[in-house]
Amino acid sequence: DQQVKQNSPSLSVQEGRISILNCDYTNSMFDYFLWYKKYPAEGPTFLISISSIKDKNEDGRFTVFLNKSAKHLSLHIVPSQPGDSAVYFCAAYGGSNYKLTFGKGTLLTVNP
Amino acid sequence: GAGVSQTPSNKVTEKGKYVELRCDPISGHTALYWYRQSLGQGPEFLIYFQGTGAADDSGLPNDRFFAVRPEGSVSTLKIQRTERGDSAVYLCASSLTVEETQYFGPGTRLLVL
Repeated sequence: DQQVKQNSPSLSVQEGRISILNCDYTNSMFDYFLWYKKYPAEGPTFLISISSIKDKNEDGRFTVFLNKSAKHLSLHIVPSQPGDSAVYFCAAYGGSNYKLTFGKGTLLTVNP
Repeated sequence: GAGVSQTPSNKVTEKGKYVELRCDPISGHTALYWYRQSLGQGPEFLIYFQGTGAADDSGLPNDRFFAVRPEGSVSTLKIQRTERGDSAVYLCASSLTVEETQYFGPGTRLLVL
């Protein structure tokens, strides 16, 4: 069973607009969440993270929102740029277990 | 500074052969992780080390897979009697401590014919 779910395999947005990527999780033990970006033939690159004690974390154009009651998080990219086109993975871990559980990823395409 | 490096970048082997995949973590990082990514999937955890010891190897699929980190730095993932289903990208990550962010290498693409 998938403990971290990214239900949108792909998303296409116009340059300058907002990109919203969603992630749901089922494991109540998860208390730390991360987003990674991946270009083809490269390893995942860390983007931003959030602890379960917060509901929002912002870093430049990237903001992650966490709704613990809904077991849902989202990544907002504003404004979107063509260089943001990549696969975005949501990942989580919890308790004293530091292994990351990943979603299947969402392919974001930002059109010029 | 240098990031996580993995060698080889690509490996083609025949079914039944033995392969070794190497990971050089970021200098000073005490924790090292191995993941495997199949086509269309997210990375899946295999094993992680704190220092020289395997802290959690629950993700290794069977006893054909083994990993070592003898000096607490470089790690080698070893796969015996490879099968076609082992074909995947093998990713290594390291972190300063287990509580810190994991940084990934570029991966080794393994193809078993």
